Amino acid sequence: DAKTTQPTSMDCAEGRAANLPCNHSTISGNEYVYWYRQIHSQGPQYIIHGLKNNETNEMASLIITEDRKSSTLILPHATLRDTAVYYCIVRLRSFNDYKLSFGAGTTVTVRA
Amino acid sequence: GAGVSQSPSNKVTEKGKDVELRCDPISGHTALYWYRQSLGQGLEFLIYFQGNSAPDKSGLPSDRFSAERTGGSVSTLTIQRTQQEDSAVYLCASRPGLNEKLFFGSGTQLSVL
Repeated sequence: DAKTTQPTSMDCAEGRAANLPCNHSTISGNEYVYWYRQIHSQGPQYIIHGLKNNETNEMASLIITEDRKSSTLILPHATLRDTAVYYCIVRLRSFNDYKLSFGAGTTVTVRA
Repeated sequence: GAGVSQSPSNKVTEKGKDVELRCDPISGHTALYWYRQSLGQGLEFLIYFQGNSAPDKSGLPSDRFSAERTGGSVSTLTIQRTQQEDSAVYLCASRPGLNEKLFFGSGTQLSVL
């Protein structure tokens, strides 16, 4: 799986959009970008994933650059409950792929 | 229950003792995963089950670690002769057959004194 690079930490004001960057310059054509988050003392939670096109769901939006070498997760209106570690993962979309590796992620702190 | 259930939520044990950690996946989920997360670290893959079979056990840190799954449902992770470096949060996740999303439990915090 391709390696990802994320900032160690970032702060965000409550009610504002939070934009979380992720670099994955070695991504291959059939690898997807996945985002999970982990709130303190809980297991990770799936947020969103995409291949080429931008994606949006009830939690967030995912913007993938045209060359697919980077992406941005957008939390449109951050709340205090969005404070968590956010993981960007690049992997093949294989239902037999079981080694989902999480790195250190970005610690996002939403401040009132 | 609606989610992945793990028990116990916390386990304190003495060095050298054996421990068993239990995972109840979401009903109908065929794939089950165990991960370990040390303090301030990312997740470390341990083992994966598809049904009752474990295609890859290469993530298990040593032969003191073993896991089984019965009836395609409940899984048990066993650590024999625990060491202090085994202290971590052990997370279980399950996935339905054709879905990329992993659903995680809240984990078992293991502390080896």
